[in-house]
Amino acid sequence: GENVEQHPSTLSVQEGDSAVIKCTYSDSASNYFPWYKQELGKRPQLIIDIRSNVGEKKDQRIAVTLNKTAKHFSLHITETQPEDSAVYFCAAITEGYQKVTFGTGTKLQVIP
Amino acid sequence: DVKVTQSSRYLVKRTGEKVFLECVQDMDHENMFWYRQDPGLGLRLIYFSYDVKMKEKGDIPEGYSVSREKKERFSLILESASTNQTSMYLCASSAGTRYGYTFGSGTRLTVV
Repeated sequence: GENVEQHPSTLSVQEGDSAVIKCTYSDSASNYFPWYKQELGKRPQLIIDIRSNVGEKKDQRIAVTLNKTAKHFSLHITETQPEDSAVYFCAAITEGYQKVTFGTGTKLQVIP
Repeated sequence: DVKVTQSSRYLVKRTGEKVFLECVQDMDHENMFWYRQDPGLGLRLIYFSYDVKMKEKGDIPEGYSVSREKKERFSLILESASTNQTSMYLCASSAGTRYGYTFGSGTRLTVV
């Protein structure tokens, strides 16, 4: 089955700096890669996603890049703000059935 | 907005009890999922269902069963609760392979 490795497990940045979280997947059939943000005590929420036919996608301060050859994808947050503090999960999904494998999460702390 | 509702936010049960966790979604999604979330382990898939009366085992189905008698409702059953099933349980639904998940708020189950 699919295996998704996520690094780092914790990340502290100063407000205004950038944060990068990386994930590596194993199943070459994976073709959809969503990212979820989970604030303390709340449900995970989809913040951005990318499909295998695209190398990069951007939404304001958040961007995701995908390298299918190397089987890794990354979340980039620029100009971080305290409200970006949360746990972030990457995920990989294969076309054809809706089974999503999650990474183990990254706890991001933005220091004011 | 898609709404995924889990019946209980917090639950305390005794070892050996039969436990039902209920999840209801209101957007006619075909796919529904049960995950458990544990520190350092991220989100692990227990079971999923892609249609009424259909179910598939996820990565950690042991000790659990599910029921999907109606499209909007997906129940997770712990036949005989054990202390190692103390966890946060998250339900999710999705419209299909091209869409992300919507999560419920979670049920924090403690087995004593």
